[in-house]
Amino acid sequence: NAGVTQTPKFRILKIGQSMTLQCAQDMNHNYMYWYRQDPGMGLKLIYYSVGAGITDKGEVPNGYNVSRSTTEDFPLRLELAAPSQTSVYFCASSSHSSSYNEQFFGPGTRLTVL
Amino acid sequence: QQQVKQSPQSLIVQKGGIPIINCAYENTAFDYFPWYQQFPGKGPALLIAIRPDVSEKKEGRFTISFNKSAKQFSLHIMDSQPGDSATYFCAASKTGSNYQLIWGAGTKLIIKP
Repeated sequence: NAGVTQTPKFRILKIGQSMTLQCAQDMNHNYMYWYRQDPGMGLKLIYYSVGAGITDKGEVPNGYNVSRSTTEDFPLRLELAAPSQTSVYFCASSSHSSSYNEQFFGPGTRLTVL
Repeated sequence: QQQVKQSPQSLIVQKGGIPIINCAYENTAFDYFPWYQQFPGKGPALLIAIRPDVSEKKEGRFTISFNKSAKQFSLHIMDSQPGDSATYFCAASKTGSNYQLIWGAGTKLIIKP
């Protein structure tokens, strides 16, 4: 049981480049989330999904896109990378049946845009 | 109204001391208050959580105190150890929000040996 996995671990992009951050979970969780973590700022929700085929915007969605074609996978797409997108990105998942709504996090992707 | 304010930003405590981290919220609809622990290079992990129908919850050396009237909750770590050095985040959510968490800014805790 790998939990939540994210690839890549690190990436450097040039301004204007595109990339996809991969996220997968093997816990059969309905809910999945993408966060960005900036120093001293806590976690900000980018997008979330309540199930395959259903996604919605979080607090900071501009510059990002997501899709959820399967229960397991929830990739995050950056179309035109900007320096403001330099951050650590975390994917998380949770089960709606959990009374304490525990979110399980992946190890993160550290992205630098130059 | 959606904010969760966390303090202090950083904290240094001697081993065996009791670090206390505080959080305050405005939205009275919040009904779930978790604390997450994050070690360097890792994702956050749930440490302990509380609902507003109780004023205190203990799990091992970790205690959440909850004051509904003041709209505040805090994390206490008893007999703190160097291994507790991490960043701690409080958060809050409300029923019907698709389990979205509103996060505090985090507290970097260092326990000195």
